[in-house]
Amino acid sequence: QVQLVESGGGVVQPGRSLRLSCTTSGFTFTNNVIHWVRQAPGKGLDWVAVVSEDGRARYYPDSVKGRFTISRDNSKNTLYLQMNRLRPEDTAVYYCARGMHGNDILAGYLDYWGQGMLVTVPS
Amino acid sequence: QSALTQPASVSGSPGQSIAISCTGTRSDVGGYNYVSWYQQHPGKAPKLMIYEVASRPSGISDRFSGSKSGNTASLTISGLQAEDEADYYCSSYRSTGTGTLVFGGGTKVTVL
Repeated sequence: QVQLVESGGGVVQPGRSLRLSCTTSGFTFTNNVIHWVRQAPGKGLDWVAVVSEDGRARYYPDSVKGRFTISRDNSKNTLYLQMNRLRPEDTAVYYCARGMHGNDILAGYLDYWGQGMLVTVPS
Repeated sequence: QSALTQPASVSGSPGQSIAISCTGTRSDVGGYNYVSWYQQHPGKAPKLMIYEVASRPSGISDRFSGSKSGNTASLTISGLQAEDEADYYCSSYRSTGTGTLVFGGGTKVTVL
């Protein structure tokens, strides 16, 4: 069955960096885009990043552009999120999710999600 | 980026039908059929319930249905059951700049 498992979360001081990983199994990794979505405590879902099947195309919202970098290693079926210059407002549970899409890699939906990984940036 | 607009809460009795609205603009909900809905129970990951406005993934009950009119999409839950009590989020592609994925603020469904 399709599985996505996040790792690498924890407590990190403001201004520091952290890298999340998402290990996948149960599907052909190179056939899908993968997204990161976060959820601050008690808040709603917030899209963070997406990477194309071949890793060449990457998109971010303005809130993380220039600080976060999404990447993938297709030989390891693994996705990454490098988070730099972290802020207290980045505190959230971070989910990786498999994407299905049309002509645009953002025009689609997320059909399988990981269990989430908490990142805490204290103020 | 501004979220899509959802009611904060909706409630209903077991067996009733309820609808959750998701309002956007012509740049997202109204312009594309890439609206999806997710169910999230406390402490759990979101689960896809509806994609491309009205399609159901395999294994999702036909009590859940989706529709769209203009800039507003809707999720209807018929024959409400206790296990339907959860948070529900809509999502849509938005064609501003290089494009983005936006979510609604979420709706808490309570089964009375």
